[in-house]
Amino acid sequence: GAGVSQSPSNKVTEKGKDVELRCDPISGHTALYWYRQSLGQGLEFLIYFQGNSAPDKSGLPSDRFSAERTGGSVSTLTIQRTQQEDSAVYLCASSTGVTSASYEQYFGPGTRLTVT
Amino acid sequence: GDSVTQMEGPVTLSEEAFLTINCTYTATGYPSLFWYVQYPGEGLQLLLKATKADDKGSNKGFEATYRKETTSFHLEKGSVQVSDSAVYFCALSGSGGSYIPTFGRGTSLIVHP
Repeated sequence: GAGVSQSPSNKVTEKGKDVELRCDPISGHTALYWYRQSLGQGLEFLIYFQGNSAPDKSGLPSDRFSAERTGGSVSTLTIQRTQQEDSAVYLCASSTGVTSASYEQYFGPGTRLTVT
Repeated sequence: GDSVTQMEGPVTLSEEAFLTINCTYTATGYPSLFWYVQYPGEGLQLLLKATKADDKGSNKGFEATYRKETTSFHLEKGSVQVSDSAVYFCALSGSGGSYIPTFGRGTSLIVHP
């Protein structure tokens, strides 16, 4: 079946502009995660959605970052007034979020964001 | 808080060599442990997992055993191939019931013909 998809695959933007990154999770997966992967670094957790519960935003680095998930499916990560340090690959992952097997995550290919 | 520590890379090997990538963790309770692999230009994909102590996860010739006494989950493969060149991430999840996983920094593996 279809995996997690993300768009765009690459985004180049000027410093100060806003960007929106999109994630389509696997159908039926109730949990959705956003991560940031900077060059040579591990994965930095950003935000977690589970069903209709309030999202866990504890990883968002500043109030310029926000995310929403409409209808329990598609999610959009928005970065306002982008800075050069926001340049990274943004990864989305989903999981079933129901049983212990839900701890396994399925990742999208990522969006590479470059802020000039 | 939870943490995962992996050996620094890159690890450079010749084809058919034996591979070990060390991973140790600190966590509360009894987390599940994972190895993910990231090939160039792609997202992460699950390589193997273990959900309780002494479990061995295996896939594509790779193995890792959940060692609670040493809080380790080392990745091994008996004979690597050029196609195994990728970045490998150790991760844990389910610590204290949390659904937010903790990842290591990743270890780059380069296999030469």
